[in-house]
Amino acid sequence: AQRVTQPEKLLSVFKGAPVELKCNYSYSGSPELFWYVQYSRQRLQLLLRHISRESIKGFTADLNKGETSFHLKKPFAQEEDSAMYYCALSGSGYSTLTFGKGTMLLVSP
Amino acid sequence: DGGITQSPKYLFRKEGQNVTLSCEQNLNHDAMYWYRQDPGQGLRLIYYSQIVNDFQKGDIAEGYSVSREKKESFPLTVTSAQKNPTAFYLCASSSTPGTDSYEQYFGPGTRLTVT
Repeated sequence: AQRVTQPEKLLSVFKGAPVELKCNYSYSGSPELFWYVQYSRQRLQLLLRHISRESIKGFTADLNKGETSFHLKKPFAQEEDSAMYYCALSGSGYSTLTFGKGTMLLVSP
Repeated sequence: DGGITQSPKYLFRKEGQNVTLSCEQNLNHDAMYWYRQDPGQGLRLIYYSQIVNDFQKGDIAEGYSVSREKKESFPLTVTSAQKNPTAFYLCASSSTPGTDSYEQYFGPGTRLTVT
């Protein structure tokens, strides 16, 4: 069975502070990991995926297979980063996505 | 903001009634999905379909039914057997395996309230 754990329901930081949203997963094979984001009154959308190894809106995430983690990081948070963030996992081959319960990020001025 | 649409945005029903939520996509995606989003629960998969005329149960299929008669459409029926139907329902679609992306594209959602 595959599982995604996001331990923080809410993360509150000040503008300019570093932010790290934690994600741990459980999967026996080689997973594909994603971060999805839902801004207020907008659709859920893909933020980044680990195989792309890219930085989107200043966010990065590294897959650590030893620690089974895929934490999302940004060195300097902005107010517009306030949103609900979901970590998701897809198994090898064709597989549906398993989502974590989400972390609400609030960035205060 | 096209691509995948859901209607209506808000839906109210009396307990004991079946209700059908619409989901349409013009992205030419083969796969479509229905999720339920509850506060503190994240997204939970109800049903998914990889191809027309075929669909599979997700993690919480009880009390729900779907059909996939057309590639563009994947309606979800919430039956009277669903014990807690009040929720926010999200539809999504994605391209098929073997293509560049498994990225799922989401609709705007339908908020169903059953009283």
